[in-house]
Amino acid sequence: NAGVTQTPKFQVLKTGQSMTLQCAQDMNHNSMYWYRQDPGMGLRLIYYSASEGTTDKGEVPNGYNVSRLNKREFSLRLESAAPSQTSVYFCASRVEGMRTEAFFGQGTRLTVV
Amino acid sequence: TQLLEQSPQFLSIQEGENLTVYCNSSSVFSSLQWYRQEPGEGPVLLVTVVTGGEVKKLKRLTFQFGDARKDSSLHITAAQPGDTGLYLCAVRGNQFYFGTGTSLTVIP
Repeated sequence: NAGVTQTPKFQVLKTGQSMTLQCAQDMNHNSMYWYRQDPGMGLRLIYYSASEGTTDKGEVPNGYNVSRLNKREFSLRLESAAPSQTSVYFCASRVEGMRTEAFFGQGTRLTVV
Repeated sequence: TQLLEQSPQFLSIQEGENLTVYCNSSSVFSSLQWYRQEPGEGPVLLVTVVTGGEVKKLKRLTFQFGDARKDSSLHITAAQPGDTGLYLCAVRGNQFYFGTGTSLTVIP
């Protein structure tokens, strides 16, 4: 009964370091999303993938890249981390449609020093 | 500017009080969702509203979709400490967007 699994849960990076956040879902959903959450900003969409092999930019894509490895997995990469990327990152998945529910992972708390 | 603006941003009330939070946009949507997020967790869906003027009730929570389908409200009656959390509205536009959130604290 895993749902959406994100790793790692916590990470501290130095400015300029790179890392990849992993996300996997076991609900056979086509659509997957990466959001960042900052105080007072709600959830802002970084990238999303409507299906395996496709990705699209969201509201705040600068400084990030993504890979939809297969239907289950959607990773987010920071090539050269900056302090402005300190945030909580959430992965979500859903069946495509106007009224369907989004299911979220537990988040990754990233600090860039 | 964000697609969905929520107000107030923060709300702290005593147990038993009533409250209303709002989600506003200048765009029209075919449906709108409300989620609640507890500390250290991802958001969880509360309700989906789809018709202009629609009212849905979930125990002490009442959700309304505006007649013009540009805004929505969430009213909580007799708030309980268990209602504490971040309330987020969300819409499916070109992508899937969330609002700025209302952080609610209910003090026992």
